[in-house]
Amino acid sequence: GQQLNQSPQSMFIQEGEDVSMNCTSSSIFNTWLWYKQDPGEGPVLLIALYKAGELTSNGRLTAQFGITRKDSFLNISASIPSDVGIYFCAGHDSGNTGKLIFGQGTTLQVKP
Amino acid sequence: GAVVSQHPSWVICKSGTSVKIECRSLDFQATTMFWYRQFPKQSLMLMATSNEGSKATYEQGVEKDKFLINHASLTLSTLTVTSAHPEDSSFYICSASVEAPGTEAFFGQGTRLTVV
Repeated sequence: GQQLNQSPQSMFIQEGEDVSMNCTSSSIFNTWLWYKQDPGEGPVLLIALYKAGELTSNGRLTAQFGITRKDSFLNISASIPSDVGIYFCAGHDSGNTGKLIFGQGTTLQVKP
Repeated sequence: GAVVSQHPSWVICKSGTSVKIECRSLDFQATTMFWYRQFPKQSLMLMATSNEGSKATYEQGVEKDKFLINHASLTLSTLTVTSAHPEDSSFYICSASVEAPGTEAFFGQGTRLTVV
């Protein structure tokens, strides 16, 4: 089945630094979604991407849908302590069933 | 964004008992909802697709008799863990899309199930 490879697995950065994480796949996805999950909570949608090449921002967050439809990245600029959490990329499967396939997640820790 | 509410947030039950988890779309109707399971420090694993008015579709390896799903209305899906055992302890999360499947998916708060 389709799989998403997300990297890095974890990051430990200083407050104020920029962060970048990405997801790749060997197959094409029709949408890319980026979520953040805090401990004990459900994932919260950050950015949704629907078109190849699309670049979308949400405050300090920027994400792009790769032109090949096989990858996406998420950037966080000027990180702050509340950015701490697990970030997941997700894509809708090619069958358009609405099923989401998730990456393994990137754990972000920010040192004040 | 749309609001998906899950209840309860956490539950502790004895081995052998059954537990029901509710997932509600509060401000929209959802013909399709999804149930995920998440183990500590791992990603979300899709368990099943809940279809309003019809049987749920289970992913490979998920026991349908163990995890009963009912989607009786356009705003409510329930997951019942039957004859729970300690290995069923996990974080269960539901999601729904406002628009057609394949668009933005919104998640509930999750339910922490602990079977003792």
